[in-house]
Amino acid sequence: ETGVTQSPTHLIKTRGQQVTLRCSSQSGHNTVSWYQQALGQGPQFIFQYYREEENGRGNFPPRFSGLQFPNYSSELNVNALELDDSALYLCASSLDPSGGTNEKLFFGSGTQLSVL
Amino acid sequence: RKEVEQDPGPFNVPEGATVAFNCTYSNSASQSFFWYRQDCRKEPKLLMSVYSSGNEDGRFTAQLNRASQYISLLIRDSKLSDSATYLCVVDTGRRALTFGSGTRLQVQP
Repeated sequence: ETGVTQSPTHLIKTRGQQVTLRCSSQSGHNTVSWYQQALGQGPQFIFQYYREEENGRGNFPPRFSGLQFPNYSSELNVNALELDDSALYLCASSLDPSGGTNEKLFFGSGTQLSVL
Repeated sequence: RKEVEQDPGPFNVPEGATVAFNCTYSNSASQSFFWYRQDCRKEPKLLMSVYSSGNEDGRFTAQLNRASQYISLLIRDSKLSDSATYLCVVDTGRRALTFGSGTRLQVQP
């Protein structure tokens, strides 16, 4: 168990809807990263939050947005859902955002989103 | 061209076999390298880091060749429980890990 929890575990939405996914970081971790994993692919970096501010972003459109709260829990919001957004969404927490500590990422078990 | 490329497999091997996976990366500025293991639709878990000097952890050996920009993972004496997808992962220092698409291993009795 990594101590990182995500909710919900599964979600079904229809195209055009909006969705919010939640992540509770491991205790003491101030950095959270979100990844999208489509079927048959590796996880793709969406963005990272450090102390409540976006600290880096991958190649995802603005309809993917996030929040980090003072207790370091986090949300991923996706607006105007598209069929291609169907994927496993993974949250990972770490103690520090610097590249050197990336190996200390602790992943949650993910939210499986299906867009119909 | 993908930043991290892996043979998707599947590699079907009998129990007790030795199997090796390779991975190539395109960014020569990459700083750190890892192998993660992922069971079906579960979260990736760190298997081991990869160092230039090579490193070994029990039945698992990882090697890094910076000149050729490839990383390898060797699994000796394969167990049924080794069946999983193995993800090659590179840290380019951009605050994100870059994952390959994974190599699927199926160990058969």
